[in-house]
Amino acid sequence: DTEVTQTPKHLVMGMTNKKSLKCEQHMGHRAMYWYKQKAKKPPELMFVYSYEKLSINESVPSRFSPECPNSSLLNLHLHALQPEDSALYLCASSQRTGVDTQYFGPGTRLTVL
Amino acid sequence: QKEVEQNSGPLSVPEGAIASLNCTYSDRVSQSFFWYRQYSGKSPELIMSIYSNGDKEDGRFTAQLNKASQYVSLLIRDSQPSDSATYLCAVAGGYQKVTFGTGTKLQVIP
Repeated sequence: DTEVTQTPKHLVMGMTNKKSLKCEQHMGHRAMYWYKQKAKKPPELMFVYSYEKLSINESVPSRFSPECPNSSLLNLHLHALQPEDSALYLCASSQRTGVDTQYFGPGTRLTVL
Repeated sequence: QKEVEQNSGPLSVPEGAIASLNCTYSDRVSQSFFWYRQYSGKSPELIMSIYSNGDKEDGRFTAQLNKASQYVSLLIRDSQPSDSATYLCAVAGGYQKVTFGTGTKLQVIP
């Protein structure tokens, strides 16, 4: 089973709202990732968690706050977003960081009004 | 300078033909190479991973790796209209990251 699940599938929020994206995997993977993808662009890495610890933050604005409550779950907390933050947010997981295959969830389509 | 380069396309091939997708990378210490397929509005789906020089076949798909030339390719035999998508080349070598190319859009014409 190579399934990564993400909720919600779609999210519309105002610039003053607080919302969270959720990601879950049950493959025993120890690395989890958040990516942002704009139309016609490749996925852009935001955060990497390795063994539940944040190991990479790609200079993401503080209005995005990641959290890894346990080895299976990854959250992305959103606050005071801008319209330009509208994008497809992808979660991925892999056995380890770096060279192992990453499996992507279906994504959350976020629209910021 | 881009780290992983792909021709953006679109690459148009007739149904039943072989589609050839190419990717070059700049980091010589890269160890793992991946091809993902992405339909419009959907998430990337793994097609193939390859780690050593040579060919790797899986059904209609063949990945080819040449580390000396820093080149990886994906061949799709008997192309079908359902193969029409953007194909992302991804390279991993260290620093805990995978670097994605910008993708090649493939159109299979019925």
